[in-house]
Amino acid sequence: EDQVTQSPEALRLQEGESSSLNCSYTVSGLRGLFWYRQDPGKGPEFLFTLYSAGEEKEKERLKATLTKKESFLHITAPKPEDSATYLCAVEGSNYKLTFGKGTLLTVNP
Amino acid sequence: AAGVIQSPRHLIKEKRETATLKCYPIPRHDTVYWYQQGPGQDPQFLISFYEKMQSDKGSIPDRFSAQQFSDYHSELNMSSLELGDSALYFCASSKGTGEPGANVLTFGAGSRLTVL
Repeated sequence: EDQVTQSPEALRLQEGESSSLNCSYTVSGLRGLFWYRQDPGKGPEFLFTLYSAGEEKEKERLKATLTKKESFLHITAPKPEDSATYLCAVEGSNYKLTFGKGTLLTVNP
Repeated sequence: AAGVIQSPRHLIKEKRETATLKCYPIPRHDTVYWYQQGPGQDPQFLISFYEKMQSDKGSIPDRFSAQQFSDYHSELNMSSLELGDSALYFCASSKGTGEPGANVLTFGAGSRLTVL
């Protein structure tokens, strides 16, 4: 069974204080690793797809990286508007998407 | 750009009542998914449809059923509602090309069900 573990569960940063979120996974035949952002009471919003170790993708202050066992979402100089829950999900060889429980990021001004 | 449309956005029901949620996927997306998300929880997969046929089933209670219609919209029917069914219900759609990593889900804004 595919598993996704995200850490930390919650992270509080000061504006401008860079950090990383972790997503560890076990999956049978990785077809893709996805990062989503979710604001309270709203649907997850797609950020990135990574599908091979060594791959990196960037979007504004966010950078996602992938190894064979984990992915990191690096947040550089975060702003309060980056506050959200960040969800990691993997798609395995069964084409199913398995989500982690997310990291709740709070960025204080 | 068109997004995934869900209705109603909020729904309040009594125990043992029935509720129906609707989802209109992005045009030309061939797969629809339903997820349930409890407070502070990650989205739990319920069921999916590919080209109007059920393609996969997750942790969907027997009290729940879903279908996809000829116009590709989908409905999730929930009967004999229980307090524990209170949650956000998300619909998502995708246009999977079969390529690894291409199966990006676009989520709707969700329907919040409260069972009293």
